[in-house]
Amino acid sequence: LAKTTQPISMDSYEGQEVNITCSHNNIATNDYITWYQQFPSQGPRFIIQGYKTKVTNEVASLFIPADRKSSTLSLPRVSLSDTAVYYCLVGDMRGGNKLTFGTGTQLKVEL
Amino acid sequence: EAGVAQSPRYKIIEKRQSVAFWCNPISGHATLYWYQQILGQGPKLLIQFQNNGVVDDSQLPKDRFSAERLKGVDSTLKIQPAKLEDSAVYLCASSFTWGQGLMNTGELFFGEGSRLTVL
Repeated sequence: LAKTTQPISMDSYEGQEVNITCSHNNIATNDYITWYQQFPSQGPRFIIQGYKTKVTNEVASLFIPADRKSSTLSLPRVSLSDTAVYYCLVGDMRGGNKLTFGTGTQLKVEL
Repeated sequence: EAGVAQSPRYKIIEKRQSVAFWCNPISGHATLYWYQQILGQGPKLLIQFQNNGVVDDSQLPKDRFSAERLKGVDSTLKIQPAKLEDSAVYLCASSFTWGQGLMNTGELFFGEGSRLTVL
């Protein structure tokens, strides 16, 4: 399984764009990149998934460069409610969706 | 749509006692996972089922932890005897198997978790 590295914590203010980068140097050909969000006392929640280039949905964008050795989760115009832990996961979805969580990035959004 | 149901939400036991957690996955999800999340850490996969078969239990402490998924639906995770270091939140998740259904991302749907405190 590909190992991921992401910042332990980030701080931001409401209305700003937040970019969280994840490093996964040994990503395999069949691996997908998935991001989850977790609030205190809740289970993680799926945000976005991608394989290459750019993926966008209603809550975030995921940027993946051509070499796929890193990825960046972009949260536009964050609010206080975006304060959470964000996990980057890399894995071969064909292998039974086996995904390993790291320690994640604690994002704190302030007024 | 009903989500992943877990019970109990909270449990306090003394060390060496036993405890069991129950999980009811989302209807139609073939894959079920149990994760252990210790405070300040990311979730750690304990066991993964596909239908009623075990796909991965490499990180399950088999001397004290056991899990089953009868009839490929509900699942139970048991700890016997509990140790202090088992204090954690036990998360159950379910998903479609990759390729099952259109537009399947393999998204994991998590329950709210069962918080265990071992004294």
